[in-house]
Amino acid sequence: NAGVTQTPKFQVLKTGQSMTLQCAQDMNHNSMYWYRQDPGMGLRLIYYSASEGTTDKGEVPNGYNVSRLNKREFSLRLESAAPSQTSVYFCASRDTGDQPQHFGDGTRLSIL
Amino acid sequence: AQRVTQPEKLLSVFKGAPVELKCNYSYSGSPELFWYVQYSRQRLQLLLRHISRESIKGFTADLNKGETSFHLKKPFAQEEDSAMYYCALSGGGGGNKLTFGTGTQLKVEL
Repeated sequence: NAGVTQTPKFQVLKTGQSMTLQCAQDMNHNSMYWYRQDPGMGLRLIYYSASEGTTDKGEVPNGYNVSRLNKREFSLRLESAAPSQTSVYFCASRDTGDQPQHFGDGTRLSIL
Repeated sequence: AQRVTQPEKLLSVFKGAPVELKCNYSYSGSPELFWYVQYSRQRLQLLLRHISRESIKGFTADLNKGETSFHLKKPFAQEEDSAMYYCALSGGGGGNKLTFGTGTQLKVEL
């Protein structure tokens, strides 16, 4: 049981390049989330999908787009990467009801 | 708006000493509070949640609604407790989003 799987684990981009971060969960969870983790700032929510077919902005959505491809997969896209988007990105999922979020291993993204 | 404050960026204690990681929150309704732990370069893992009222790895946390706090405590620190600890709040609503604090790095010294 893999849980939440993120690909790639590491990526280096040049400013202006585009990139899609992939996330898949095998727990049949309804809700999925994308966070970025920066030193001294904790985790901040970028976008989330409460259920298949819906997506909503979180705290820091600018510069990102998401797609809830199906119940399993939730991708995060950077259309034109900027150095300020250098961060570690975490995907998470949770079931309905009174359940906690489960996290992936993260994607370490550097933009030069 | 919901907010979580962890006032300490770094907490350094000796092995065997008591540990208290502070967490205060701001939320107008009935929050659900969590502690997540992240060991070096690993994924975040749920440590405990207030509704479970359980002890995990010797850690406990009590929700104090009067003081709006959810401090994490352990009577005797172990070396393997060294990690980043995040307090998080879920206010329910659409998507049951989590609001995280900025985290406290716990370092247990020998």
